[in-house]
Amino acid sequence: EAGVAQSPRYKIIEKRQSVAFWCNPISGHATLYWYQQILGQGPKLLIQFQNNGVVDDSQLPKDRFSAERLKGVDSTLKIQPAKLEDSAVYLCASSLDGGQKQFFGPGTRLTVL
Amino acid sequence: GQSLEQPSEVTAVEGAIVQINCTYQTSGFYGLSWYQQHDGGAPTFLSYNALDGLEETGRFSSFLSRSDSYGYLLLQELQMKDSASYFCAVRDRYQKVTFGTGTKLQVIP
Repeated sequence: EAGVAQSPRYKIIEKRQSVAFWCNPISGHATLYWYQQILGQGPKLLIQFQNNGVVDDSQLPKDRFSAERLKGVDSTLKIQPAKLEDSAVYLCASSLDGGQKQFFGPGTRLTVL
Repeated sequence: GQSLEQPSEVTAVEGAIVQINCTYQTSGFYGLSWYQQHDGGAPTFLSYNALDGLEETGRFSSFLSRSDSYGYLLLQELQMKDSASYFCAVRDRYQKVTFGTGTKLQVIP
């Protein structure tokens, strides 16, 4: 079965610019997660979707970050405007069993200059 | 809220056994997962415990004690390729998952 797909794999932007990431989860997985992972730290949950509804976005900086999951399948995460501290790897994961076992995509490495 | 503690680094010899501990504080605990992440790679699922006791999957085993809010990952017959970061993650009854800060395992010859 195909894994979780993410694009782009790498992105370099200047601060105050905008950027968007795309994720296509494993077919049939109702739960989709976006994580931010700063080097040397564990993944930090930004937002969790159950189908196309938001379950948890308590750690999403809503003044600059937004995410949507149209039709309960693929999802986009946007940052507008970016700050230097947003430099990180953005991981998308999906789960069939509500988080017991998550499958991660390869991630997008964002560098903000 | 949820918080997890893991040792930041562990070094072990090839062929040996190593245990990576995880203590957690959470409301509405549902289960504890373990993930492996090689440098530059994505986390990959290793195991999940919802009930007390030991779960074995090949060279890897995971243990949970709900009463002690404690779990560990046991890696046997260590191989050089096991050098990676290992994360514990708790899931609560609302399906929210929180990851620990990770343990960097270095396997030496």
